Amino acid sequence: GAVVSQHPSWVICKSGTSVKIECRSLDFQATTMFWYRQFPKQSLMLMATSNEGSKATYEQGVEKDKFLINHASLTLSTLTVTSAHPEDSSFYICSARVASDRLVVAQHFGDGTRLSIL
Amino acid sequence: AQKITQTQPGMFVQEKEAVTLDCTYDTSDPSYGLFWYKQPSSGEMIFLIYQGSYDQQNATEGRYSLNFQKARKSANLVISASQLGDSAMYFCAMREGLWGREGGADGLTFGKGTHLIIQP
Repeated sequence: GAVVSQHPSWVICKSGTSVKIECRSLDFQATTMFWYRQFPKQSLMLMATSNEGSKATYEQGVEKDKFLINHASLTLSTLTVTSAHPEDSSFYICSARVASDRLVVAQHFGDGTRLSIL
Repeated sequence: AQKITQTQPGMFVQEKEAVTLDCTYDTSDPSYGLFWYKQPSSGEMIFLIYQGSYDQQNATEGRYSLNFQKARKSANLVISASQLGDSAMYFCAMREGLWGREGGADGLTFGKGTHLIIQP
């Protein structure tokens, strides 16, 4: 089945650092990828929709200058948390939609990235 | 108003018993999809089952079935013959609008989840 790879799995870094998270579709082309954030013991919240070759669409309340999204190819989207602070510590997880898939199940999730800002 | 409501924060169930996890949803769009995901402590999101708003029959996938009651806007997950490995967080989610529609919102809205613990 379709596989989405997310890297890195864990990141621990100092406050003020920028952190890049990669989301790759391994065996399919993904025109659309989604970035979610999950705080401890809470649900997943959609942050933004990343479309290949165009600007990302951010959900209300998500700072686009803080969370930079680039979707330069059909297999890779990146999320960069700029000047990260402790309140940005969270579990970030991406999902990808298959390019030509109009069928019922078309979102495949990565394994997530645990980000801890000290 | 919340779009996805899961009213059971946690559940304890004996192994081999059937489990029903509740989910109600709120949307005015006639086209939508409902998903259930399992999230073990390791964090990955495991897709379990899907129900489309126009599907006439309840979805089933192995031990998982979805009790879809459209008029009541409920989409409960039923796990038959529960196993110890079923212990995890379970999330109900919804996608509104036609899948892949230009400008459509394909991102999922998740409920707060139910923490299911299967006891031996």
